Amino acid sequence: AQSVAQPEDQVNVAEGNPLTVKCTYSVSGNPYLFWYVQYPNRGLQFLLKYITGDNLVKGSYGFEAEFNKSQTSFHLKKPSALVSDSALYFCAVRDPYYTGGFKTIFGAGTRLFVKA
Amino acid sequence: NAGVTQTPKFRVLKTGQSMTLLCAQDMNHEYMYWYRQDPGMGLRLIHYSVGEGTTAKGEVPDGYNVSRLKKQNFLLGLESAAPSQTSVYFCASSYYTGLAGGTSTDTQYFGPGTRLTVL
Repeated sequence: AQSVAQPEDQVNVAEGNPLTVKCTYSVSGNPYLFWYVQYPNRGLQFLLKYITGDNLVKGSYGFEAEFNKSQTSFHLKKPSALVSDSALYFCAVRDPYYTGGFKTIFGAGTRLFVKA
Repeated sequence: NAGVTQTPKFRVLKTGQSMTLLCAQDMNHEYMYWYRQDPGMGLRLIHYSVGEGTTAKGEVPDGYNVSRLKKQNFLLGLESAAPSQTSVYFCASSYYTGLAGGTSTDTQYFGPGTRLTVL
């Protein structure tokens, strides 16, 4: 069965420092992986996705993520955090070989707090 | 281009009442979805639709019904609301960006959410 885990409920980082939000997954084959961000009282917004190809994926607002197949991870990173990056971040995974219907699994979310 | 919109934004119901949540998208997306978001549980799929006139069950369909009579609209109904249905509800839509073999690499676009409280 496919699953996704975000091991940290909250990540705190100072403005200007690099940030990492962790995500690990479990699927039977090669996964499709996504990161979404949710600002207060808003819906989720797409940041980036990995489907195939280069393991380093670049997305919106300066974010990037690296697909690591051996560690089954897809950590979200940014070289220099901004206060405006403070939000709730969701990792999502989809098993492209799942035949039981549509199924994208979302993690529980990690709250990022960037301190000025 | 409004993207994905949801009506209403907030609603309070009493146990046993019924209501319908409306989702509309103007991006001509084939796929539409209803999720619920609860603290510490991420998003869980309630129902989804792969095209006009079609619907399918997601992860937590019990107590909900849906209809997609028009491509741009996806309705979520609660026939007899229960306190366990207190949640934030999100609608989303996506293109079908299929690879060979029909697998979708879809990116989902979300509405702003509906906060529902059932007393």
